[in-house]
Amino acid sequence: DVKVTQSSRYLVKRTGEKVFLECVQDMDHENMFWYRQDPGLGLRLIYFSYDVKMKEKGDIPEGYSVSREKKERFSLILESASTNQTSMYLCASTVPPGRGLLNTEAFFGQGTRLTVV
Amino acid sequence: ELKVEQNPLFLSMQEGKNYTIYCNYSTTSDRLYWYRQDPGKSLESLFVLLSNGAVKQEGRLMASLDTKARLSTLHITAAVHDLSATYFCAGLLSGYALNFGKGTSLLVTP
Repeated sequence: DVKVTQSSRYLVKRTGEKVFLECVQDMDHENMFWYRQDPGLGLRLIYFSYDVKMKEKGDIPEGYSVSREKKERFSLILESASTNQTSMYLCASTVPPGRGLLNTEAFFGQGTRLTVV
Repeated sequence: ELKVEQNPLFLSMQEGKNYTIYCNYSTTSDRLYWYRQDPGKSLESLFVLLSNGAVKQEGRLMASLDTKARLSTLHITAAVHDLSATYFCAGLLSGYALNFGKGTSLLVTP
């Protein structure tokens, strides 16, 4: 019954490394999102995508990029990891509004806890 | 831009009591979501509300939506310890991402 899968549950990387976080959904959703969650700051949107090869910056895109080459996969890339990117990263997907009243849920992956040392 | 505000941010309640969490949003939202998050875990979908007057119930939780007031509520009936978690509401506007409230950290005590 898995719907949104993130490639790693826990990840430890060194400062300066290029880091890839993968997210795959099996529900044929157009919209996919990457958030990071930090204590006291809630969920902050990094990037989202509403179609293949389309992307929009969220509130905190600096230091991140994304890739959406296939509909089911949305990758988050940390170009040069830094310690302030240590966080819980959450991926989500949903169908866009206006697509009817069915299958409107937005599902989250299990999260990736990234530590940059 | 859709802004979402939840209150209270922290809630300690006794088992057996009732309480309501409020979620105000700033502009018309196409959908309103409620999620539960346990410590160290991801977000679990509770409810999706689509239209004015929508009410959904699951166990001791009931969510409602008033689009005219731009308000959604999550009502907890006869709280039990297992409901201790953080609850988030989020709005979705066409063309934009899910916008979350800060979350309500709920602790149910004996």
